[in-house]
Amino acid sequence: GQSLEQPSEVTAVEGAIVQINCTYQTSGFYGLSWYQQHDGGAPTFLSYNGLDGLEETGRFSSFLSRSDSYGYLLLQELQMKDSASYFCAARGAAGNKLTFGGGTRVLVKP
Amino acid sequence: DTGVSQDPRHKITKRGQNVTFRCDPISEHNRLYWYRQTLGQGPEFLTYFQNEAQLEKSRLLSDRFSAERPKGSFSTLEIQRTEQGDSAMYLCASSRGQESGYTFGSGTRLTVV
Repeated sequence: GQSLEQPSEVTAVEGAIVQINCTYQTSGFYGLSWYQQHDGGAPTFLSYNGLDGLEETGRFSSFLSRSDSYGYLLLQELQMKDSASYFCAARGAAGNKLTFGGGTRVLVKP
Repeated sequence: DTGVSQDPRHKITKRGQNVTFRCDPISEHNRLYWYRQTLGQGPEFLTYFQNEAQLEKSRLLSDRFSAERPKGSFSTLEIQRTEQGDSAMYLCASSRGQESGYTFGSGTRLTVV
């Protein structure tokens, strides 16, 4: 099985940088994904790390270190619309099945 | 392409009744997933299909839950003899391949009273 740990809540001001860490324990691991979910909305895909290193997509970057069983999502130039929950999710050996962490609620203040 | 559609958006049912939800994935996606999410938690895996084949079902699911994907197109999730603990958001997602991100539907919110 798999389990993922991430902080429950982070608060920051507009324009700041936030890093959301995710540690995982798995019996089989193929990669780490990140999803954003606004209140009342569906999760939306942000990024996927299949290999170690940094992936950059606009203001968001994601990092993976397999040797440390660790990844993070970096949110730069925070905007009010970035207030949402962010989930890390591990891809296991069985096809593309994802196991999600409990989510980190990010609150952006003016 | 209109994304992943789920129907109904909301369902209120009495304990003991059966309910069925429908999911229409993105047409070119061959993988379809069902997840359940309760407030403040991450989505919890229920089952997934590759084309019409159901490849995995969560051990957390009781025999009251069943899912189908006839002809590898839309999928249905049925819950028999609903219990109050079944109250949750039921999310459907589809993907194109092994490293593709999921596209989620808006979900069906089930309330068992």
